Amino acid sequence: GEDVEQSLFLSVREGDSSVINCTYTDSSSTYLYWYKQEPGAGLQLLTYIFSNMDMKQDQRLTVLLNKKDKHLSLRIADTQTGDSAIYFCAEKRDAGNNRKLIWGLGTSLAVNP
Amino acid sequence: NAGVTQTPKFRVLKTGQSMTLLCAQDMNHEYMYWYRQDPGMGLRLIHYSVGEGTTAKGEVPDGYNVSRLKKQNFLLGLESAAPSQTSVYFCASSGTGGKNEQFFGPGTRLTVL
Repeated sequence: GEDVEQSLFLSVREGDSSVINCTYTDSSSTYLYWYKQEPGAGLQLLTYIFSNMDMKQDQRLTVLLNKKDKHLSLRIADTQTGDSAIYFCAEKRDAGNNRKLIWGLGTSLAVNP
Repeated sequence: NAGVTQTPKFRVLKTGQSMTLLCAQDMNHEYMYWYRQDPGMGLRLIHYSVGEGTTAKGEVPDGYNVSRLKKQNFLLGLESAAPSQTSVYFCASSGTGGKNEQFFGPGTRLTVL
């Protein structure tokens, strides 16, 4: 995860907005992803953005991409206790046929009632 | 569709014992991956496969072997388990589409005493 960085913890109150940030280093990244991991479960794709986009909105989720600063953010509006999870940022680089993703260490989101 | 399944869900081994973790996917995906997840370390890629009969090393391959004899199955073997291999192991698969979404199994929690 050394090439993709995220803060490790975020705590918000229920009903507030949450913003999780991620920085990456490779300008050749094609797709950037946010995965969610609930306790005791595997990861699940939450949303993604293609590198030629600046913003993507999907219901309560807004993804912002700043390619100049290599910064990706995930905003969750009206955060609920069910949003408590670990959120992983990941990038896909076009490096041959291996189709590996480069992962951040994950941000643990705690939502307080 | 069951998606990605992993067996077993939990296992306790003694140092030096061997075991095989099984991953199966029913989505006809070409690519399969084995990760380990440790506190503060995020996800680390152990081995991956770009198709039936192929395997390749990831970031942390030492102490593990893999086989992909059938497209739907990806096996991870520990020949001589060590306490440092205590971890949660996740299998994932992805198709050939550009988005490269990885689908994860529920994980195997392994403890080596």
